[in-house]
Amino acid sequence: EPEVTQTPSHQVTQMGQEVILRCVPISNHLYFYWYRQILGQKVEFLVSFYNNEISEKSEIFDDQFSVERPDGSNFTLKIRSTKLEDSAMYFCASSEAGRGGGEQFFGPGTRLTVL
Amino acid sequence: AQSVTQPDIHITVSEGASLELRCNYSYGATPYLFWYVQSPGQGLQLLLKYFSGDTLVQGIKGFEAEFKRSQSSFNLRKPSVHWSDAAEYFCAAVPSGGYNKLIFGSGTRLAVHP
Repeated sequence: EPEVTQTPSHQVTQMGQEVILRCVPISNHLYFYWYRQILGQKVEFLVSFYNNEISEKSEIFDDQFSVERPDGSNFTLKIRSTKLEDSAMYFCASSEAGRGGGEQFFGPGTRLTVL
Repeated sequence: AQSVTQPDIHITVSEGASLELRCNYSYGATPYLFWYVQSPGQGLQLLLKYFSGDTLVQGIKGFEAEFKRSQSSFNLRKPSVHWSDAAEYFCAAVPSGGYNKLIFGSGTRLAVHP
């Protein structure tokens, strides 16, 4: 069964460093998403991406964040200068449809710890 | 503002007992509604979804959910819980006709006693 994969599973970084979280969406999906879950809090939408453009982003997704589809398979989230409050579990998701409630398939997540 | 509320943070049931997890939404129009399950170390897995039509929706793993417009609710149920159902359960919504931006509730952690 096709699945979304994410690497690494756990990333530890120093405050102010850049991190790149990687995701491989399901191959025939065209819409990609990043969500995050700070420990003990709800899962929050960060950004959606389609056709090499951001289609929607939340207030959390400020200039420190960027997304990219560098090739035909990977989808990355970059945090330019990490802050302590960026520590969270980051989930990638993909879907066939961008509207109409199309099912989003989630990866297992990357736990980011900022020291 | 659009929101999803799960009033129960933690629920404990005995194996074999029935289960109901509550979810309420606040949207201008009825959104698309989802229940996801997250087991430790795993991603979010879709249990079931409601778009329109029959208000009782069947999902995987023996779960079902009932949409009640009058109560703005979408409660998840299972007649007989198994120990393997212990996990965190998230209710989520997407505005109907809008982009697929999931708004999640805060989750309910389910513990199952043998």
